Amino acid sequence: KNEVEQSPQNLTAQEGEFITINCSYSVGISALHWLQQHPGGGIVSLFMLSSGKKKHGRLIATINIQEKHSSLHITASHPRDSAVYICAVRRDVAQKLVFGQGTRLTINP
Amino acid sequence: EAQVTQNPRYLITVTGKKLTVTCSQNMNHEYMSWYRQDPGLGLRQIYYSMNVEVTDKGDVPEGYKVSRKEKRNFPLILESPSPNQTSLYFCASSLGGTQYFGPGTRLTVL
Repeated sequence: KNEVEQSPQNLTAQEGEFITINCSYSVGISALHWLQQHPGGGIVSLFMLSSGKKKHGRLIATINIQEKHSSLHITASHPRDSAVYICAVRRDVAQKLVFGQGTRLTINP
Repeated sequence: EAQVTQNPRYLITVTGKKLTVTCSQNMNHEYMSWYRQDPGLGLRQIYYSMNVEVTDKGDVPEGYKVSRKEKRNFPLILESPSPNQTSLYFCASSLGGTQYFGPGTRLTVL
């Protein structure tokens, strides 16, 4: 079993819909990252969380440390949000990063 | 402009021919790391460095070497590349946890 599991693996939605991507992990962590990988391959860091909730524009990330679960929400989704979203955790005993398999999001106009 | 650069961006080589992929950052970050990305396996960490002369193995270090002689550079060395090292490679740097990724290097080993 992977240490970091994301769901769904693929998600297709219509423009304007509210999107939720989930990430569950099984190890102790010091932080959790959400990354966005564009169709061209470039990777951008969206959030780093160790507790609570963060918001940036239409993106919201939450983490529940007790349940070992994080969610990434996109409000008023737009075709330009189409990308692969990757969850990664930093293990608490080292500075290693472990990645989920990614969620491929497609927003249709 | 703050950035992480990698060279080359694309490389086709043959088994056993030593190669180096360079990575450089201009943000004075202490933490740097190398990842490979493969279909179905996602991103995996190869090596990371907490500071100059401090490096450690990630989850898939076999067949790779790194060095960190100066803060800005973190080259990835493949002493004897093999076809199973065909992959997309990313370098990243970090300060305070947020990762800044390079554009990627697509390596094909024939």
